[in-house]
Amino acid sequence: DVKVTQSSRYLVKRTGEKVFLECVQDMDHENMFWYRQDPGLGLRLIYFSYDVKMKEKGDIPEGYSVSREKKERFSLILESASTNQTSMYLCASSLYYQPGDSYNSPLHFGNGTRLTVT
Amino acid sequence: GNSVTQMEGPVTLSEEAFLTINCTYTATGYPSLFWYVQYPGEGLQLLLKATKADDKGSNKGFEATYRKETTSFHLEKGSVQVSDSAVYFCAPYTGRRALTFGSGTRLQVQP
Repeated sequence: DVKVTQSSRYLVKRTGEKVFLECVQDMDHENMFWYRQDPGLGLRLIYFSYDVKMKEKGDIPEGYSVSREKKERFSLILESASTNQTSMYLCASSLYYQPGDSYNSPLHFGNGTRLTVT
Repeated sequence: GNSVTQMEGPVTLSEEAFLTINCTYTATGYPSLFWYVQYPGEGLQLLLKATKADDKGSNKGFEATYRKETTSFHLEKGSVQVSDSAVYFCAPYTGRRALTFGSGTRLQVQP
């Protein structure tokens, strides 16, 4: 079974702090994703990466950056945390991505990190 | 880009009741369609999928049929159980960027 592990289940940070959310997958997947989940808004894509050192902005990248130095690890960075970044953050990975292909392999999700910024 | 409209929740049913969760989408081209489920305290997991028109995806007693003419992918189950209580997400995919998820529909099944 694919395992996607997020390093923290709960995190509390102060406004202005630099925050790192870590995600590791153990199945050699090419693609990794960061979503945030908020009530009534569903999941919104922050960033994704389809190869090591490659990254693309999602729908709501403002205030975030990412790092993918190794294939198995994808980090989400909040450069200066703000209260509106209080949310549930979900990491996911998938096996392959082919631009223009009508099918993609299923996403495998971690259990999420609930971040509170005070 | 893609967008998804799901019925608002929570949907509250008694055990053994029939379930329908509506999903309609807009997408360019011919998307693949997915339903994901999120059980309490967990991340999302794939429930079922359909990759072309008129395909029916099924898993764990759930079914959904890809209706191209109505751009819909409604989720159904004939007899729900308490263990089906979760949040359900519809997601079309056209091979561009990443999956777009609906806002999710919370299902509560009472014994």
